[in-house]
Amino acid sequence: QVQLQESGPGLVKPSETLSLTCTVSGGSVRSGSYYWSWIRQPPGKGLEWIGYIYYSGSTNYNPSLKSRVTISVDTSKNQFSLKLSSVTAADTAVYYCARDQEYYDSYGYHYAFDNWGQGSLVTVSS
Amino acid sequence: SSELTQDPAVSVALGQTVRITCQGDSLRNYYASWYQQKPGQAPVLVIYGKNNRPSGIPDRFSGSSSGNTASLTVTGAQAEDEADYYCNSRDSSGNHVLFGGGTKLTVL
Repeated sequence: QVQLQESGPGLVKPSETLSLTCTVSGGSVRSGSYYWSWIRQPPGKGLEWIGYIYYSGSTNYNPSLKSRVTISVDTSKNQFSLKLSSVTAADTAVYYCARDQEYYDSYGYHYAFDNWGQGSLVTVSS
Repeated sequence: SSELTQDPAVSVALGQTVRITCQGDSLRNYYASWYQQKPGQAPVLVIYGKNNRPSGIPDRFSGSSSGNTASLTVTGAQAEDEADYYCNSRDSSGNHVLFGGGTKLTVL
């Protein structure tokens, strides 16, 4: 069973860069058919997709965050990471890493987040 | 379109059936996936694809789709089903991920 675990600072100052790492165990980030994603949830609000990375290194980001986001992968450590720059209080949220599985049937390609980390609360405050 | 729309809240009597819906243009191209989230916990996948349940998900959860609308049905709702439910799919380009705003299910 694949497990994902977020790690990183729980407090970040405004205007600085938020950095989180997701360690994958029980599976490999090199596996095809998986997109390794970051998702966040502000307190009391819904889920917001931040972006994903494929094992090849190709990325896609939420257009609303694209200018501030970088997602990278370290296959040697079986980890992927998130950097979000110029943070404000609006970036305070629980940050989840998750595995987005791609599968194919007669109707085409489809996707589902089948494994999630437990979440990491990041507070932006001075 | 880059949105998935859900009703904010739905309630159901214990043991009755409830349907939670998700609307969006991208659902004409991609199945919705559905997630259950209880307070303080990470979301859990309950339905994916045409109507598939991951291992461990009770068979009272089922999914369906028609046109631009996907539905999650809970047949014989239990007290432990009270939670927030989110739908998700790719956008019409297939490159970006969408989440609905979530539906809070109350079991009365």
